[in-house]
Amino acid sequence: DIQMTQSPSSLSASVGDRVTITCRASQNINTFLNWYQQKLGKAPKLLIYGASKLQSGVPSRFSGSGSGTDFTLTISSLRPEDFATYFCQQSYSTLITFGQGTRLE
Amino acid sequence: QGQLVESGGGLVKPGGSLRLSCAASGLTFSDHYVSWIRQAPGKGLEWVSYISGSGLSIYYADSVKGRFTISRDNAKKSVFLQMNSLRAEDTALYYCARDAVPGNYPNWLDPWGRGTQVTVSS
Repeated sequence: DIQMTQSPSSLSASVGDRVTITCRASQNINTFLNWYQQKLGKAPKLLIYGASKLQSGVPSRFSGSGSGTDFTLTISSLRPEDFATYFCQQSYSTLITFGQGTRLE
Repeated sequence: QGQLVESGGGLVKPGGSLRLSCAASGLTFSDHYVSWIRQAPGKGLEWVSYISGSGLSIYYADSVKGRFTISRDNAKKSVFLQMNSLRAEDTALYYCARDAVPGNYPNWLDPWGRGTQVTVSS
């Protein structure tokens, strides 16, 4: 299985901050990496696919980068509605796996 | 806006069974793979199973193989997860999610449902 390691597991930030979350794969996954936002009691929401492609309707303050084993999700200027949990997912292998999540508080 | 809605969760004793349903509305469905993914309390997300649009391609995580069965009814735009021989470690919030690219797997998942809670306890 491909292990996905996210860091940090939690992050304290304020409105207006620039925030970066990292996801590392245990092997090369090219750019088969996706990012999601999860709020309590709601369905997870796709933010970024293919490592850097912004999903339609997602604000441009969200961006993704990376390839191979190291990836980042950046929020350029935090808004109040961005406080949530973020997780990565690799779609390189049939057995898809997820990072353990980063709670932004 | 298309959505997926899960149902069928509940409290069940160890060794018992449950059947989860995932109903789609407002989105294309029959050409897409659909996965079940679960999240145990305090844990990360774990992929459980997928089924292709035709239902001919099916795959399970080792942790549920032989106990869970996935199926679908495209006429009803629904996917099901029959869970037998349930264990305490199956306790989790179960999500269904559609693979975004028709006819292909794996890709990014969009949309997801809100989940249905399964609790296995005596």
